[in-house]
Amino acid sequence: DQQVKQNSPSLSVQEGRISILNCDYTNSMFDYFLWYKKYPAEGPTFLISISSIKDKNEDGRFTVFLNKSAKHLSLHIVPSQPGDSAVYFCAARAFAGNNRKLIWGLGTSLAVNP
Amino acid sequence: EAQVTQNPRYLITVTGKKLTVTCSQNMNHEYMSWYRQDPGLGLRQIYYSMNVEVTDKGDVPEGYKVSRKEKRNFPLILESPSPNQTSLYFCASTLKVNPGQYNYGYTFGSGTRLTVV
Repeated sequence: DQQVKQNSPSLSVQEGRISILNCDYTNSMFDYFLWYKKYPAEGPTFLISISSIKDKNEDGRFTVFLNKSAKHLSLHIVPSQPGDSAVYFCAARAFAGNNRKLIWGLGTSLAVNP
Repeated sequence: EAQVTQNPRYLITVTGKKLTVTCSQNMNHEYMSWYRQDPGLGLRQIYYSMNVEVTDKGDVPEGYKVSRKEKRNFPLILESPSPNQTSLYFCASTLKVNPGQYNYGYTFGSGTRLTVV
């Protein structure tokens, strides 16, 4: 059972416009949420994160919003650039004893068209 | 440069032939973990380590072993690989934090694509 869901496998956006990637989760015990970007043949690269006590975090063109009541987070990229084309993963941190594992969504492939 | 280094990047092997995938980090991180990525299943945790000589199972540990003799290294061992272990493997590390503490995320290696025939 997927505890972290990214319901859109792919998204296509025009350069300069906003990209919105969505993520839903089911476990209210998650305390930290992260977005990773992945290019082919590379490992995931950390992009931005948000703790469960906040509702927004901004870093340059990237903003993550968290709606705890809806168990929903979103990543906004403004303006989108062709170099943003990659697979984006949403991950949630779960503490289980000593384990600080990440629970991952299946990813959304973003294509930014020039 | 702060990084997690995995080797090899690609490996094709035969069923039953023991292999080791190495992972090394230069950030003095206490916590290290192995994940495998499979289509439709995403990334799933295999094993993790809180510190030297402290390791434990993740969600899919069957068929794998790990060791943590030094803080920087966390090798993944497949004693008798089988075709269902064909996958893309990632090693990751982060600082040890407690609930309510936040850091900049987990650093991942570039991945090892393993094919077992």
